[in-house]
Amino acid sequence: GQQVQQSPASLVLQEGENAELQCNFSTSLNSMQWFYQRPGGSLVSLFYNPSGTKHSGRLTSTTVIKERRSSLHISSSQTTDSGTYLCALARSSNTNKVVFGTGTRLQVLP
Amino acid sequence: GPKVLQIPSHQIIDMGQMVTLNCDPVSNHLYFYWYKQILGQQMEFLVNFYNGKVMEKSKLFKDQFSVERPDGSYFTLKIQPTALEDSAVYFCASSLWGSSYEQYFGPGTRLTVL
Repeated sequence: GQQVQQSPASLVLQEGENAELQCNFSTSLNSMQWFYQRPGGSLVSLFYNPSGTKHSGRLTSTTVIKERRSSLHISSSQTTDSGTYLCALARSSNTNKVVFGTGTRLQVLP
Repeated sequence: GPKVLQIPSHQIIDMGQMVTLNCDPVSNHLYFYWYKQILGQQMEFLVNFYNGKVMEKSKLFKDQFSVERPDGSYFTLKIQPTALEDSAVYFCASSLWGSSYEQYFGPGTRLTVL
């Protein structure tokens, strides 16, 4: 089955609302990254967060290894936040393979 | 921050021809990766490369695919011959060490096979 599951699959917000995106994984973790994928396809790295909580502007990422989950919180959403949010993890086994989640498609309405 | 460059941004090619996608990784990075994303679908790992060798590859990395980084120049993905199902965006990434380190991604090359 899927090693990395993201929820929700899609989300529609009114501008100004907050969003909580989840990434759950079934394997042990060596690293966790969050990306924003623009509608045109290019990737923007948001966080490299293998554990704990990190902040960047309106964004907060929290990874709890024991619970095998990572979250991305977006506060005071803006229309420019619309796009797809991806989590990607590397497992803590003898491998350099990185697995991406299926993504959360976010649409922020004006 | 550190940047990974990819050339070209878009390539259109006839089925059966050869194509080479080029990646200019972050200068002091040692690990290199290729990923494939078919339009509207999940990003999928293809291969990682270290010290002149393929370290790991997925089932998507067919026999028609090859990677190399001759003399520290571009890290390349070659597909020979191409097939219709190879149409996708190919992303290159690099990291200082293995995948437990942060990976830096290029903007992608959109490959269209006709």
